[in-house]
Parts: sequence; structure tokens; C-alpha cells
Amino acid sequence: EAQVTQNPRYLITVTGKKLTVTCSQNMNHEYMSWYRQDPGLGLRQIYYSMNVEVTDKGDVPEGYKVSRKEKRNFPLILESPSPNQTSLYFCASSLMVGFGYTFGSGTRLTVV
Amino acid sequence: GIQVEQSPPDLILQEGANSTLRCNFSDSVNNLQWFHQNPWGQLINLFYIPSGTKQNGRLSATTVATERYSLLYISSSQTTDSGVYFCAVLNDYKLSFGAGTTVTVRA
Repeated sequence: EAQVTQNPRYLITVTGKKLTVTCSQNMNHEYMSWYRQDPGLGLRQIYYSMNVEVTDKGDVPEGYKVSRKEKRNFPLILESPSPNQTSLYFCASSLMVGFGYTFGSGTRLTVV
Repeated sequence: GIQVEQSPPDLILQEGANSTLRCNFSDSVNNLQWFHQNPWGQLINLFYIPSGTKQNGRLSATTVATERYSLLYISSSQTTDSGVYFCAVLNDYKLSFGAGTTVTVRA
């Protein structure tokens, strides 16, 4: 089944403890992206990747890192999480930029 | 950046009713998509529709790119249609989302 898989689905962590949210797609898509969704602010792009080893900042990149060492994986790294990063996170992929997006199931992160 | 406006913000329907959701955008776009976020938070791609009309079961969508709007039609609504409907347009390598229309279908 063609899909974007995110893990974990739910995570509660403490301020400052490094964490990684994984994202993997099995559709051989070139383009991948991370979004966060917050009440009243909608969905905002954090980082995107046009292809392996090509990443760039979105609208809200502060406090996040990404890497794209393989085409299928695009992990989101929070080196020192803070409570303002409590949010619902989505990974998405598409064949190329400009094509239809497939979203993962989301990761609900709480930083206390 | 491009502005995406959706209307109405909220919609309450009786099961079986039809409805139209609207998405206006402030600049020309090459890519417009409609998504449904279900009550469990999952985002499902409904349509990739930069122009023209598409249908998928009880849902259909029309985009008139030259006039900068898109419409999503829900016919014979069911309770499973409840959730938030987003339109999103491609702008500088990212999808810019509207604020969404929250649809509640009552049995």
C-alpha cells in the first residue's frame, strides 16, 4: 500500500531532551515536507526537500533540523525541544513539487 | 505571499443535504488541492485540481484558475463527511493552506 509512515503517533517529552520524528514513504517520491498544525494558525511548513541531500527552510524552521540521506526517509529532529513546539506534526510527500501530496497520519507532540 | 481564503468557516448539515465550499486565492497558481481532515486528525487528499472539474463519488471539485477560485461540492452528505476541509495552493515549493471549513453532518 502506498503510504507515508510517521512515528511515533504520540509523544510526550520534557524540555531539552532531543527527539526525532521519523517519516518514510514507499512511493519513490522526490519531494518531502514537514508541517506543523496549531489551533488558529493552521498548517505551516517547517522544512522541505526536493530530493536526496537537498533541503530548505519553510516558514517556521527555528528549533528544527532535517536530513535527507535516502529518498524514502525524511526525519525531523528537535535538538532541544521547548513547550512552544507542542503541536501536531505532519510529514508529506509528492512525486515532484507541484503534484498531489500524500500526508502521514500525524505525530502529536507534547513538550512539558 | 499568496493568500488563501475559505468560506464558510463552519457548516452544519443534515444528513442527505448538499453543500458547496469555496476557496479563493490571491494569485495565479499551478497547483490546487483539497484535503479532508477527519475527526481523528488524519489529512486525506481529496483532489489535485489546478483547473477544470473532477468527481470522486459524492464529492466533486471545480477550479477556475483565471478567476482564482475553487469549489468543493458535497452531495448527499453523510456523517462520515464531518471534519475540516482545507484547500491548499502551491507557492514557492510549499503548499499554503486556507483556514479550513469545519463541516458537521448530523444524522
